[in-house]
Amino acid sequence: KAGVTQTPRYLIKTRGQQVTLSCSPISGHRSVSWYQQTPGQGLQFLFEYFSETQRNKGNFPGRFSGRQFSNSRSEMNVSTLELGDSALYLCASSPGQINEQFFGPGTRLTVL
Amino acid sequence: AQKVTQAQTEISVVEKEDVTLDCVYETRDTTYYLFWYKQPPSGELVFLIRRNSFDEQNEISGRYSWNFQKSTSSFNFTITASQVVDSAVYFCALSHAGGTSYGKLTFGQGTILTVHP
Repeated sequence: KAGVTQTPRYLIKTRGQQVTLSCSPISGHRSVSWYQQTPGQGLQFLFEYFSETQRNKGNFPGRFSGRQFSNSRSEMNVSTLELGDSALYLCASSPGQINEQFFGPGTRLTVL
Repeated sequence: AQKVTQAQTEISVVEKEDVTLDCVYETRDTTYYLFWYKQPPSGELVFLIRRNSFDEQNEISGRYSWNFQKSTSSFNFTITASQVVDSAVYFCALSHAGGTSYGKLTFGQGTILTVHP
């Protein structure tokens, strides 16, 4: 089975711009979670989608949003980028609620 | 509230030494799940093990072993005869079932393990 894929792998943006990151889960997995990883804050949960519905959301501003499509692929969007949004964004998929999550390679976003 | 603490920020060992990574968690729930992940320099988090709160049986898998103790809220991970390829950041994580916990892993700050040849 192919693993979780994320595109793009690297992204450079300037403050004020917006960005869209994409995640394709493992085939058959319906739950997709997103995390932000920074040296200062570590790994923080952004949100989770299951069958096109957001079921859970972390403590991030409304500039961070996401969606999930009928094929379980997910996108996250960050609007009005700030320097502090520079991070590794990780997507993870899971077959169910209590199962382990499998992570993609991440998208490294740099905001200048 | 959920919290995971990995007190060891960095550990440095020489190849073939045994090394134990500590993890202490806090939760009010009686049903929860504990995980260990490895993050090599490439950045991708690699799943190592999952433990349910109602299963305190410890496990050995090759050079890896895990010690889960509910009484002390600890879920420690030991690598026996470490190798250079074990060098990575190791994360302990906690999750619950349902409600506001959907799809959410709460991670510790990670332990950087460096194995020298």
